[in-house]
Amino acid sequence: GQQLNQSPQSMFIQEGEDVSMNCTSSSIFNTWLWYKQDPGEGPVLLIALYKAGELTSNGRLTAQFGITRKDSFLNISASIPSDVGIYFCAGEPNSGGGADGLTFGKGTHLIIQP
Amino acid sequence: EAGVAQSPRYKIIEKRQSVAFWCNPISGHATLYWYQQILGQGPKLLIQFQNNGVVDDSQLPKDRFSAERLKGVDSTLKIQPAKLEDSAVYLCASSSYRDAKNIQYFGAGTRLSVL
Repeated sequence: GQQLNQSPQSMFIQEGEDVSMNCTSSSIFNTWLWYKQDPGEGPVLLIALYKAGELTSNGRLTAQFGITRKDSFLNISASIPSDVGIYFCAGEPNSGGGADGLTFGKGTHLIIQP
Repeated sequence: EAGVAQSPRYKIIEKRQSVAFWCNPISGHATLYWYQQILGQGPKLLIQFQNNGVVDDSQLPKDRFSAERLKGVDSTLKIQPAKLEDSAVYLCASSSYRDAKNIQYFGAGTRLSVL
């Protein structure tokens, strides 16, 4: 099955730095989502994007839905220790209306040095 | 509001044995999903239910995996017989489609080790 191309695979940053990660696909998705997964837990939704070009913020997090509907990025400003974890992008086709399963990227592992 | 419940949290079996996982979705959520997450990868959809009917099972290895949601609420995923490559976390998610939006909420998963 298809997986989204997510980069970078891992990031080592200092506390207080800004973070940027992105996701690309060869297929169009009508919904893009960003999840965070902590060890031993399931993914938790951070931001959902529903329209091409949409820019949405959630606290220190900002995400954008690419105009081509084949990409998305997530920015985290002023990182703090609790931002540590694995971030996944996910796309939902919604091609025929109704609910669809998600296609996930391989994840970006964020490590923060105090 | 209670989240998606899964059990057991951990399971260790030998290859060729059988195993079953259970999921209780968020109350009122019509759609239920099972995902497989291999170490170092993102989750991969195995099967999607709408109420008690299967919507998508195109990525389910049907020779050994089966799933059911008989009453449209709880669901079980079974592997028989298990192979070494089935070692993974099995995540259950549920959603309620409203206003053209479908937010999936995930359980904590069952970590399966096949020896």
